Amino acid sequence: ELKVEQNPLFLSMQEGKNYTIYCNYSTTSDRLYWYRQDPGKSLESLFVLLSNGAVKQEGRLMASLDTKARLSTLHITAAVHDLSATYFCAVDKGGSRLTFGEGTQLTVNP
Amino acid sequence: GAVVSQHPSWVICKSGTSVKIECRSLDFQATTMFWYRQFPKQSLMLMATSNEGSKATYEQGVEKDKFLINHASLTLSTLTVTSAHPEDSSFYICSASQGSSYEQYFGPGTRLTVT
Repeated sequence: ELKVEQNPLFLSMQEGKNYTIYCNYSTTSDRLYWYRQDPGKSLESLFVLLSNGAVKQEGRLMASLDTKARLSTLHITAAVHDLSATYFCAVDKGGSRLTFGEGTQLTVNP
Repeated sequence: GAVVSQHPSWVICKSGTSVKIECRSLDFQATTMFWYRQFPKQSLMLMATSNEGSKATYEQGVEKDKFLINHASLTLSTLTVTSAHPEDSSFYICSASQGSSYEQYFGPGTRLTVT
């Protein structure tokens, strides 16, 4: 059974600082996704990572994938308050069926 | 492009009644739709996968007789929660994908409260 673990689960950081969220998964997969969820809302797609060594960047967020280590990272650069949200990674367990991590609740303080 | 809608956005029903939630792909044909459930402060859990014109495939532990899924067309899937109980209260989110595309497009979610 595929297990997806994120850490940390809670992250409080100051504006302007950098930090990384980690996503580990237990079995081989071709696809890894990162999503953002604001309170009371559905998911917003951030990144889709399709191959080993894939790196994607959008604004202050950068995601990478190491399929050999079964690890993905979401790096936040110079955080701003607007980035406060819950971030989920999700792994395709076959047929586009996604298993989600527990989520990382990020709070960026002024 | 790639917009998915859900209706209703929230619903309150009494225990023992059934409630239907619709998921529509507005500007593309969704060959596959997925239904997820999210309890407060928790992650999303995949309930089932539905393909147009065929029976849904349910994840382990999800009662197929309680959560009826119909994918009658390439733009519409419905989830019916039958004989709802308070423990079925949750945020239900659908997603849709097109053909062999790896992208999934998520709906805005439906908040169900069973009293």
